[in-house]
Amino acid sequence: NAGVTQTPKFQVLKTGQSMTLQCAQDMNHNSMYWYRQDPGMGLRLIYYSASEGTTDKGEVPNGYNVSRLNKREFSLRLESAAPSQTSVYFCASSEAPGLRYASTDTQYFGPGTRLTVL
Amino acid sequence: ELKVEQNPLFLSMQEGKNYTIYCNYSTTSDRLYWYRQDPGKSLESLFVLLSNGAVKQEGRLMASLDTKARLSTLHITAAVHDLSATYFCAVFITGNQFYFGTGTSLTVIP
Repeated sequence: NAGVTQTPKFQVLKTGQSMTLQCAQDMNHNSMYWYRQDPGMGLRLIYYSASEGTTDKGEVPNGYNVSRLNKREFSLRLESAAPSQTSVYFCASSEAPGLRYASTDTQYFGPGTRLTVL
Repeated sequence: ELKVEQNPLFLSMQEGKNYTIYCNYSTTSDRLYWYRQDPGKSLESLFVLLSNGAVKQEGRLMASLDTKARLSTLHITAAVHDLSATYFCAVFITGNQFYFGTGTSLTVIP
């Protein structure tokens, strides 16, 4: 049981290049999330997918696109990378945050992708 | 604009001492989470607080939630070096979104 996996772990891009960050979970969770973490700013939600087939914008979606490929996989794409997108990116999943008393109602995080845009 | 504020942002404490980290949030929510992050690592779930008055304890950590005051606390009892990490609170709001605080960096000094 690998939990949440992310690839790649590290990436360096030049301004204007594109790339896709991959995320997969094997816990049969309904919801998946992409966050970015910057020093002194905590985690900020970029996009999320409440269930397979749906995606929604979070707090900081500009410059990103997502695809919920199936229940397991949720990818994040940077079409034209900018230095302001230098960050650590975390993918997370959760079972059912909409259920009021779900006993396993928490997010499980992947190991992160450290992205540098030059 | 939704705000989730933690204080203090940085905390240096001696082993054996007690301290409390505070998490204030600006919107209605009855669902609050605490996470731990070690340097260079991912986030690990500590507590899930699902209703007003909820209290959870694990080892030297105890978390509580007051939804009317929009306040959660993470109390550390008799700190040990292994508790050194950054602690985040997160609020869940309608629409399946989680909003995180800026984190409290805790250093426990021998």
